[in-house]
Amino acid sequence: QQKVQQSPESLTVSEGAMASLNCTFSDGTSDNFRWYRQHSGKGLEMLVSIFSDGEKEEGRFTAHLNRASLHVSLHIREPQPSDSAVYLCAVNQGAGNKLTFGIGTRVLVRP
Amino acid sequence: EAAVTQSPRNKVTVTGGNVTLSCRQTNSHNYMYWYRQDTGHGLRLIHYSYGAGNLQIGDVPDGYKATRTTQEDFFLLLELASPSQTSLYFCASSDNNERLFFGHGTKLSVL
Repeated sequence: QQKVQQSPESLTVSEGAMASLNCTFSDGTSDNFRWYRQHSGKGLEMLVSIFSDGEKEEGRFTAHLNRASLHVSLHIREPQPSDSAVYLCAVNQGAGNKLTFGIGTRVLVRP
Repeated sequence: EAAVTQSPRNKVTVTGGNVTLSCRQTNSHNYMYWYRQDTGHGLRLIHYSYGAGNLQIGDVPDGYKATRTTQEDFFLLLELASPSQTSLYFCASSDNNERLFFGHGTKLSVL
């Protein structure tokens, strides 16, 4: 069964500084890899989805995938206090759009 | 933006109680999912469905039943609730192998 681990558990950055989050997975044959954001008491919002090795940019959010290293990262450019949330890495397990989630990285952006 | 509505938002029951969580999506998505979210575990898939009348077992199905009565409606049933089922439950829907749209969650407490 796919295992997804995220690091760090928590991260504090200053407004405007780059934030970098990491995610490792156990099965490199998975279809695609996604990053979600969850504000306190809210549902999940998808930020970026990546299928191929390399990078994928969606606004201020960039994902980098390296299947050989079983690693996908998320970089948040110019983070704002409103970006303070829990960020979840999710790996698609194939047919049926079934996702395996990591436990998340809590990001705090200080003004 | 697809709308996924869960009800109730909060529910308290006693051990052995009977609970039904409801989910409705209004974008005619084929796929619907029930996840639970617990500290230290991230989101875990309970049951999912490809369409009305279809049910698939997820990764943590024990103690749960589900029913997809229409394309719009997906229910999660706990017939003999236990304290271990105290959790935050999320419903999601999707139309293809891409984005999942999540509801705002139902907080269930089993005393």
